[in-house]
Amino acid sequence: DTAVSQTPKYLVTQMGNDKSIKCEQNLGHDTMYWYKQDSKKFLKIMFSYNNKELIINETVPNRFSPKSPDKAHLNLHINSLELGDSAVYFCASSRSLTSRNYGYTFGSGTRLTVV
Amino acid sequence: DQQVKQNSPSLSVQEGRISILNCDYTNSMFDYFLWYKKYPAEGPTFLISISSIKDKNEDGRFTVFLNKSAKHLSLHIVPSQPGDSAVYFCAASAEAGGADGLTFGKGTHLIIQP
Repeated sequence: DTAVSQTPKYLVTQMGNDKSIKCEQNLGHDTMYWYKQDSKKFLKIMFSYNNKELIINETVPNRFSPKSPDKAHLNLHINSLELGDSAVYFCASSRSLTSRNYGYTFGSGTRLTVV
Repeated sequence: DQQVKQNSPSLSVQEGRISILNCDYTNSMFDYFLWYKKYPAEGPTFLISISSIKDKNEDGRFTVFLNKSAKHLSLHIVPSQPGDSAVYFCAASAEAGGADGLTFGKGTHLIIQP
């Protein structure tokens, strides 16, 4: 029973399309995140979402929008996809924003390829 | 602007020997450090962490050492086992920046030779 699950695992799409990546956690965690791993292998935070409060990394283009229907889900919607959006996107969760000693639980990632 | 640096992209160690993975950081606001392990096509898995008030934390075969004055931490794996072959990410966070999440290094690919 996967703790943090993301779908799809692979996504290939054309420039200009709109796509969504879904994420669900069954850990009862209060906080969820989206991370992007770019071609240089850096894992960078895009968003954190805690108790309906969204905190955005200011470097993320507004074409990216997280949507959380409830505490267990944080989906990522991307408008007008660009070539540079190609990356692996990881969803993660933690007990709370301040529970750093337990670390995050990550999903297995979604490899997005924009052609 | 790399605030967390892992300068060794890869490391090869013989099975049974000690593996030492290094990490340096530049942001003096970081006060909590973590190591993650990642297998191909999987997400990173939390391994071990250390608070800046400590200089050592041990969990089984894994020990993390922190040298605050040098802004350096290391992960020791003893003895190394084939299943330890993976990419290891060093990560850091600042207490005031819970919402800033974790800042990761680029990772070190550890290869355990039989």
